[in-house]
Amino acid sequence: DSGVTQTPKHLITATGQRVTLRCSPRSGDLSVYWYQQSLDQGLQFLIQYYNGEERAKGNILERFSAQQFPDLHSELNLSSLELGDSALYFCASSARPDEKLFFGSGTQLSVL
Amino acid sequence: DAKTTQPPSMDCAEGRAANLPCNHSTISGNEYVYWYRQIHSQGPQYIIHGLKNNETNEMASLIITEDRKSSTLILPHATLRDTAVYYCIVRAYSGGGADGLTFGKGTHLIIQP
Repeated sequence: DSGVTQTPKHLITATGQRVTLRCSPRSGDLSVYWYQQSLDQGLQFLIQYYNGEERAKGNILERFSAQQFPDLHSELNLSSLELGDSALYFCASSARPDEKLFFGSGTQLSVL
Repeated sequence: DAKTTQPPSMDCAEGRAANLPCNHSTISGNEYVYWYRQIHSQGPQYIIHGLKNNETNEMASLIITEDRKSSTLILPHATLRDTAVYYCIVRAYSGGGADGLTFGKGTHLIIQP
């Protein structure tokens, strides 16, 4: 158990809908990262937050947004969902941006 | 971050040492070598990291060549539970600021009984 909690574990929705994925980092970790893993793209870095502030952006679509709240949990919002958004979404946390990452067990999103 | 090259797949017999190579010929002086693994569809798991010197922990050993252009992850006594995709990543430290790790395709290590 990495200490990073992601909910829900599975999510099934339809095209055009909007969903929110939630992540609780390890106790004391200030940095949160979001990754997307699909069969054809591998693990893609989406976005990073540190202590509530956006720190770095990767391959995140404009339809996706995220935030980190004062209690350090983070949410990833995916809107106008398309079939191609079906993937495993992982959250990771680290104590500081330059330390090793601990990953959650992921949210499996299926867009039908 | 520098690019890495790993073999797509490797086999190893159970109980033997598994040696996973990684080439990172364009690595910069401030870049560390990290290894993670992903078992089936679980979240990636940190294994080990290093800068110049060889490192060892309870999971594995990391051997980095003197010129730092390549490294080898060693699992000393592989078990069936070590079957996973292993990712070699180089990551810069920049005074506390760093983006997310960039994962390549990794090496699919299959431990044979």
